[in-house]
Amino acid sequence: NAGVMQNPRHLVRRRGQEARLRCSPMKGHSHVYWYRQLPEEGLKFMVYLQKENIIDESGMPKERFSAEFPKEGPSILRIQQVVRGDSAAYFCASSPPPGGVGYTFGSGTRLTVV
Amino acid sequence: LAKTTQPISMDSYEGQEVNITCSHNNIATNDYITWYQQFPSQGPRFIIQGYKTKVTNEVASLFIPADRKSSTLSLPRVSLSDTAVYYCLVGDLGDYGQNFVFGPGTRLSVLP
Repeated sequence: NAGVMQNPRHLVRRRGQEARLRCSPMKGHSHVYWYRQLPEEGLKFMVYLQKENIIDESGMPKERFSAEFPKEGPSILRIQQVVRGDSAAYFCASSPPPGGVGYTFGSGTRLTVV
Repeated sequence: LAKTTQPISMDSYEGQEVNITCSHNNIATNDYITWYQQFPSQGPRFIIQGYKTKVTNEVASLFIPADRKSSTLSLPRVSLSDTAVYYCLVGDLGDYGQNFVFGPGTRLSVLP
């Protein structure tokens, strides 16, 4: 998964704390997607962003979750007041321009809420 | 977004050819078919993509019949390291912002 950088790789938070997950897309890609994967389940779409723009957040929980992709710097997925049910792997993907081949995923951030 | 259906799991032995079929009955004219592979604790990895007939790369082959309502991922001579979950997705590459819908995928177990 070289190219899409996610950090941290592992994140442990206590209930009630905030979690900030970062994603830097592949060079030349300006579109970022966030997916969540619960243990033994498939990936669930959360949000799609362009630079400074949220295009589709239909998969985002209504509360506590937010995402941004500023003009400079990585995309950030923020989870406020984390609960145990937020424990999951969060993957970021970036896409090439239209007609390009496939999305490229990062290695993910594994969030554990204790 | 076209919905896909795949077998939940498959077993194979080392050295065998594995074929995983995906059904996508309501695939749209502009949709491409893409397959991803995911190992535990890693993000999905692109394997192959096609629109019709047959596509082959160094990793796999993708067979798509004329009606495009299904596709088959073929892995030649699998090894233990091919044990992973394989996802079939369909979508329009020209549609910027396609949020691909991942199903549960097919869990392939390669046995020695």
